[in-house]
Amino acid sequence: DAGVTQSPTHLIKTRGQQVTLRCSPKSGHDTVSWYQQALGQGPQFIFQYYEEEERQRGNFPDRFSGHQFPNYSSELNVNALLLGDSALYLCASSSGPSIDQPQHFGDGTRLSIL
Amino acid sequence: QKEVEQNSGPLSVPEGAIASLNCTYSDRGSQSFFWYRQYSGKSPELIMFIYSNGDKEDGRFTAQLNKASQYVSLLIRDSQPSDSATYLCAVKGGSNYKLTFGKGTLLTVNP
Repeated sequence: DAGVTQSPTHLIKTRGQQVTLRCSPKSGHDTVSWYQQALGQGPQFIFQYYEEEERQRGNFPDRFSGHQFPNYSSELNVNALLLGDSALYLCASSSGPSIDQPQHFGDGTRLSIL
Repeated sequence: QKEVEQNSGPLSVPEGAIASLNCTYSDRGSQSFFWYRQYSGKSPELIMFIYSNGDKEDGRFTAQLNKASQYVSLLIRDSQPSDSATYLCAVKGGSNYKLTFGKGTLLTVNP
């Protein structure tokens, strides 16, 4: 039973560049959420996708955008990268529209901005 | 007031002891409560979730929820060195689909 998979594992970019991170949800899951975790902090919610629509968004600027594909996989795009975007980016998947469903995390993508 | 608060620790307990991790939340409409374990450099791993007042046990782990006091806790019995990690409390409230996390409590279990 494949868990949540994310790619790439690590990424180094420079300020002003753009980046795309990818996520495949756990088998049987159809909802994908993205989180940003800075060092020493808890994960912060970026947005959630269900049925290829953004269902809820956290307090992140429009530079952060996403997409969900018919096979439930998802992408996170960040434009005009800033030094402060350096963080661990986590994808979490869950099953169905219920808000009670537990979210399971992938191993994350560590993004470093130089 | 922060939405989800945890004592950052570190919390240090000897091997075999009970570790008690605490979390308070501010949104009275919160309905779902989760505990994640995060080893250094790794991603969060779900270990417990609880929706109703009272206790929920799973092996060495017990989650306790008191909605009136807006308090949720995690007890780890017979603590092992492999339990050493940061424990994250997460809350979902009302019609919110997002998880709101605390900063986490660093637990160290000493052999």
